[in-house]
Amino acid sequence: DVKVTQSSRYLVKRTGEKVFLECVQDMDHENMFWYRQDPGLGLRLIYFSYDVKMKEKGDIPEGYSVSREKKERFSLILESASTNQTSMYLCASSNFPSGRKDEQYFGPGTRLTVT
Amino acid sequence: KQEVTQIPAALSVPEGENLVLNCSFTDSAIYNLQWFRQDPGKGLTSLLLIQSSQREQTSGRLNASLDKSSGRSTLYIAASQPGDSATYLCAVRRWAAGNKLTFGGGTRVLVKP
Repeated sequence: DVKVTQSSRYLVKRTGEKVFLECVQDMDHENMFWYRQDPGLGLRLIYFSYDVKMKEKGDIPEGYSVSREKKERFSLILESASTNQTSMYLCASSNFPSGRKDEQYFGPGTRLTVT
Repeated sequence: KQEVTQIPAALSVPEGENLVLNCSFTDSAIYNLQWFRQDPGKGLTSLLLIQSSQREQTSGRLNASLDKSSGRSTLYIAASQPGDSATYLCAVRRWAAGNKLTFGGGTRVLVKP
């Protein structure tokens, strides 16, 4: 079974703090993704990575950065947390598509509250 | 721009009834479509993935169909149980969008005992 883990289930941070959200997958997947999920707005892609040290912006990258130093780990960084970044953050991974199935597998999510 | 819609947003059925969940998308040039289940406060669990060349996929009580030309997919859950209560989301991957998925807003399902 594919396993995607996230470092925290719940996190409370203060405005202006630097926040790190960590995601690890154990299936040697090339692709990893960070989403946020908000009521009424659904899931929105923040950043994704298709290889180590490679990253691409998603639909809402402003205020976020990412790091992928190892294949299994993808970190989301909030440089200076703001209250509008209070949300559920979901990490996902998938196989390289190349004609194979590329289901996205999700982690349990991190509920971040910025006060 | 791809838009994915799920109607209705919420659904309540008595236990034992078959569930029919709808997903529509505006751009038929899709690579695949994936159905997910999400329990409150949790991550997403992949249920079924249909490649663009397929018409349907089945897993146990779940069956998903895909009609690319009309931009629709339907998830059928046979003989619903209270444990099927959750939010169901569909997501499409377009050929031109790399690995990115576009999600629908989800249908929240309640199965009453």
